[in-house]
Amino acid sequence: EVQLVESGGGLVKPGGSLRLSCAAFGFNFNAYTMNWVRQTPGKGLEWVSSASSSGSQINYADSVKGRFTISRDNAKNSLYLQMNSLRVEDTALYYCARCVSGCGTGFDPWGQGTQVTVSS
Amino acid sequence: DIVMTQSPLSLPVTLGQPASISCRSSQSLVYSDGNTYLNWFHQRPGQSPRRLIYKVSNRDSGVPDRFSGSGSGTDFTLKISRVEAEDVGVYYCMQGTQWPLTFGGGTKVEIK
Repeated sequence: EVQLVESGGGLVKPGGSLRLSCAAFGFNFNAYTMNWVRQTPGKGLEWVSSASSSGSQINYADSVKGRFTISRDNAKNSLYLQMNSLRVEDTALYYCARCVSGCGTGFDPWGQGTQVTVSS
Repeated sequence: DIVMTQSPLSLPVTLGQPASISCRSSQSLVYSDGNTYLNWFHQRPGQSPRRLIYKVSNRDSGVPDRFSGSGSGTDFTLKISRVEAEDVGVYYCMQGTQWPLTFGGGTKVEIK
């Protein structure tokens, strides 16, 4: 079964750091571009970052550029998101998601999400 | 960035009746390869989003044929021919034509 499992979320103070992980199962991880997408009640769904299959092409949303770093370890079938200088507005449920056949056609599957709360 | 605008925000429907959701983009979603990268997702309460339709009108495997997508350029529609109880939740459109990829604000479908 194709599955993505996120971990690493939690409560952190503004200015702090967190590292999210996503473990992939059931598919050839190193063949797909992978993404982080976040969801908040107020702003809905927001694409955050993507890493190509080899990790050589990386994109970030302007809202996280310079603070977040995406990476992947294809040997471990894992995707990561290092989040530094966290802000209250980064509070969200963070999903790991796979691009299907090119990211233009969206994401499938999505993980169950990991909650990040930034609060003093 | 391409802004995606959905309407209505909330859609109460009667079981067995049709439903229609509109999605408009701030610029054309036709890509240089001729494809239009407009996709639809469904999120049931307490679950992660799941892709329903890609490139305007292509249903994903396992998606019932009561779901259909249509549109072109900047105007798109998701239709449910006869709403069933399992169709409740929030529907999102998403454009994949230009980075950053962006989503509509969502339409909540509930049963009257």
